[in-house]
Amino acid sequence: SQQGEEDPQALSIQEGENATMNCSYKTSINNLQWYRQNSGRGLVHLILIRSNEREKHSGRLRVTLDTSKKSSSLLITASRAADTASYFCAASRNTDKLIFGTGTRLQVFP
Amino acid sequence: EAEVAQSPRYKITEKSQAVAFWCDPISGHATLYWYRQILGQGPELLVQFQDESVVDDSQLPKDRFSAERLKGVDSTLKIQPAELGDSAMYLCASSEGEWWLTGELFFGEGSRLTVL
Repeated sequence: SQQGEEDPQALSIQEGENATMNCSYKTSINNLQWYRQNSGRGLVHLILIRSNEREKHSGRLRVTLDTSKKSSSLLITASRAADTASYFCAASRNTDKLIFGTGTRLQVFP
Repeated sequence: EAEVAQSPRYKITEKSQAVAFWCDPISGHATLYWYRQILGQGPELLVQFQDESVVDDSQLPKDRFSAERLKGVDSTLKIQPAELGDSAMYLCASSEGEWWLTGELFFGEGSRLTVL
């Protein structure tokens, strides 16, 4: 079963534009993570936000967390063609396993 | 830079044959995970180890899948017999610390299985 549901499923933008992906989850969580996956490759960790945090930044990435709405968003600013990948949110509650969402496929056109 | 090693990268097999995947986590990482990712979906946890002990294998189809981490270092995931529905990417990941302190996971490049 999937804990998170990403929205949209697919997103196409031009280089330089911002990309926003949303993740909704079902239960209370301890932390939420975002991962990136290039086609046919493994996942790479981008950022972790804890349940007591509301916003976190890492380079061109901005993640927000709204525990009241059980949702998170990932913003990639000034996107580049190299940002083309699938992006997954993953959430865990206490000692429960980390459960991944269904992913957003981002295509950035030069 | 330390990496999670997986082999083979690609495996094609016929239905009813046995397959095995190997994973060597980052040195010192106590927690090791095997995920299965069907094309177009997110990874689904199959089994999680803390050192050599299984802490979660609730989603592992135990009639045909087995996993071991005998010395608490590298791990093997086996499927016998393989079925058409097992075609997927099998991802290994590791993390520092105890399994209940869920932090960043480091993934290998995965093993792509095709069952004909």
